[in-house]
Amino acid sequence: QKEVEQDPGPLSVPEGAIVSLNCTYSNSAFQYFMWYRQYSRKGPELLMYTYSSGNKEDGRFTAQVDKSSKYISLFIRDSQPSDSATYLCASGGAYPSGSARQLTFGSGTQLTVLP
Amino acid sequence: DAGVTQSPTHLIKTRGQQVTLRCSPKSGHDTVSWYQQALGQGPQFIFQYYEEEERQRGNFPDRFSGHQFPNYSSELNVNALLLGDSALYLCASSPTGGASYEQYFGPGTRLTVT
Repeated sequence: QKEVEQDPGPLSVPEGAIVSLNCTYSNSAFQYFMWYRQYSRKGPELLMYTYSSGNKEDGRFTAQVDKSSKYISLFIRDSQPSDSATYLCASGGAYPSGSARQLTFGSGTQLTVLP
Repeated sequence: DAGVTQSPTHLIKTRGQQVTLRCSPKSGHDTVSWYQQALGQGPQFIFQYYEEEERQRGNFPDRFSGHQFPNYSSELNVNALLLGDSALYLCASSPTGGASYEQYFGPGTRLTVT
């Protein structure tokens, strides 16, 4: 079993729709949760960064973490064709100071927003 | 402010050969991590460098090695290339000794092994 599981999609929505992207994780040591956006043949771009449970909002994006169910979500409001990309969730543990911060990624969800 | 840069953009190698990939971190960042991303998969952690030393390694064989220079730039070396090494190799940099999970990725080097 992978430590971070993500539905690969593909997911196709009309412009303006609310998009919900989800991941589950199995490692209870994970405390940090990230969402990256990756356009085709490009490197991942950091979108959201959260610690522990709760919500974080940034413009049209909202990240949500429920540690009790080990569930991570990213919501995109008023989706645009420019949001079409692969979205990767990633997690990491609260390691001691001086330890490497190793990210564990899901396999990514491919999103297409149709004009 | 230049972001993370990587070179070359892509390259093609033959099985058994050796390859060196290069990374320059974002200005102000002192920690470099390398990831391998196979087609249709998420990135997998190879190793992280800080203060010119390998701090942690993921589940990759010794054929994968690296180096960090005093200016924080880094190299990834892969020896005895296998077909399965074909992937996008990503470099990520972070500040403050990597104490933060805010890792910023470069555009990657696409390696094809034939």
